[in-house]
Amino acid sequence: LAKTTQPISMDSYEGQEVNITCSHNNIATNDYITWYQQFPSQGPRFIIQGYKTKVTNEVASLFIPADRKSSTLSLPRVSLSDTAVYYCLVGGAGGSYIPTFGRGTSLIVHP
Amino acid sequence: GAVVSQHPSWVICKSGTSVKIECRSLDFQATTMFWYRQFPKQSLMLMATSNEGSKATYEQGVEKDKFLINHASLTLSTLTVTSAHPEDSSFYICSARRRENTEAFFGQGTRLTVV
Repeated sequence: LAKTTQPISMDSYEGQEVNITCSHNNIATNDYITWYQQFPSQGPRFIIQGYKTKVTNEVASLFIPADRKSSTLSLPRVSLSDTAVYYCLVGGAGGSYIPTFGRGTSLIVHP
Repeated sequence: GAVVSQHPSWVICKSGTSVKIECRSLDFQATTMFWYRQFPKQSLMLMATSNEGSKATYEQGVEKDKFLINHASLTLSTLTVTSAHPEDSSFYICSARRRENTEAFFGQGTRLTVV
C-alpha cells in the first residue's frame, strides 16, 4: 500500500483558501487518490476523489501533478465549520481497495 | 453519496459483557465492509475486512475471538465485542464499498464505553 504523508496541522482564517498537500511517492498505476473529512465523534465523510490532473466539485478541488506523487486538496473560502481532520488516502480500483488512513491533517479555522 | 448507518451511536456496558454494533448500507449492496477503531486524537485503525458470505480478515494484533464480525448479507455487517473490558472503550467505525467501486462510505461511528 502506498504510504501518505501530510502536515499534522494547519491554521487558517475564515474566508481564506486552504491548500493541504499530501505526498504519496509510492503510488501505483491503478491507485486513486481520495480525501475525507472527519469531525470529532463522527465517521469520515467523502470529499473528493481523483486519478490525475484536476477534479472539482461543489466543496473542493483536487490537484494532481503529472507524476502523481503528490496531491493538493484546495478548500475555497473556508469557514469555521471546516475545522476538521482531513485524510488523504491512496488505493487501487475495484476489489483490492482497502481504505487505509494515515495521520491526517488537523485544520483549525479561526474567526 | 451512498448512506451507511451504524447503530447504536453510543453504548455503555459493564465489564465482561458483550456488545453488538450494526452497520447497514441503506441504498446499495456492499460486497465489502471494513471495521475501524479510533482512539482519541488518533487516526482510524483498520481492524478487519469482511466480504459478504465469507469469514472476515483481521489485521495483525486484532483478536478475532474477541471482535466477532459477521457479514451475512450485502447490506448488513455486525461487530460483536465479546467480554468487553475498559481498554476496549473506543470509537468504532464501519465502512462499506461496492465491488467495483473505489469509493468507501462510512458510518457515523459508535462510541463504546466499558465501565
